[in-house]
Amino acid sequence: NAGVTQTPKFQVLKTGQSMTLQCAQDMNHNSMYWYRQDPGMGLRLIYYSASEGTTDKGEVPNGYNVSRLNKREFSLRLESAAPSQTSVYFCASIEQGWYGYTFGSGTRLTVV
Amino acid sequence: AQKITQTQPGMFVQEKEAVTLDCTYDTSDQSYGLFWYKQPSSGEMIFLIYQGSYDEQNATEGRYSLNFQKARKSANLVISASQLGDSAMYFCAMVITHGSSNTGKLIFGQGTTLQVKP
Repeated sequence: NAGVTQTPKFQVLKTGQSMTLQCAQDMNHNSMYWYRQDPGMGLRLIYYSASEGTTDKGEVPNGYNVSRLNKREFSLRLESAAPSQTSVYFCASIEQGWYGYTFGSGTRLTVV
Repeated sequence: AQKITQTQPGMFVQEKEAVTLDCTYDTSDQSYGLFWYKQPSSGEMIFLIYQGSYDEQNATEGRYSLNFQKARKSANLVISASQLGDSAMYFCAMVITHGSSNTGKLIFGQGTTLQVKP
């Protein structure tokens, strides 16, 4: 099925470990986004990529890096995980001229 | 800066009754869009309804309607004939659709948890 695929779905990290969250979309969307969801706070934007080859910081970028590998893939990297990064992470993409996001199913990350 | 406020952390509604979830927004931009998303306990984000700032009619999608009051900067979601499957978290969100802030970024409210009672 067409959509946004995130891997992994669940992950437990120890403080200081690194990992990369993968996101791929097969809808030929230009723009892709990474959000995190914490209890009682809604979703907050970490980084986004308006088009292939560009990335920009969102509201909460500290502790993260991103790579827009190609038009399909947008990865999020935690270089040194901290307990404050325990959250649910959503990747999303949008079609040019329409703002109906397609969200991935989310990655539940726990940092201990 | 843009902001979305949802003041109802939790709501209860009896099955088959209507319920209104409140959302107010703040922006100085003239061109924007407002969304409502549903997040069931399984965690996925489900698009419900969209209202553009220049749309003269309130948006409707099946049992969902958006009560858009531009002067009051409110975009309340009305769910008619509630069903048990409507129990979920509901998020209001905004996107700027013109100008330098037109990056597609969604600004979310804190969410409202709706529980439908049988």
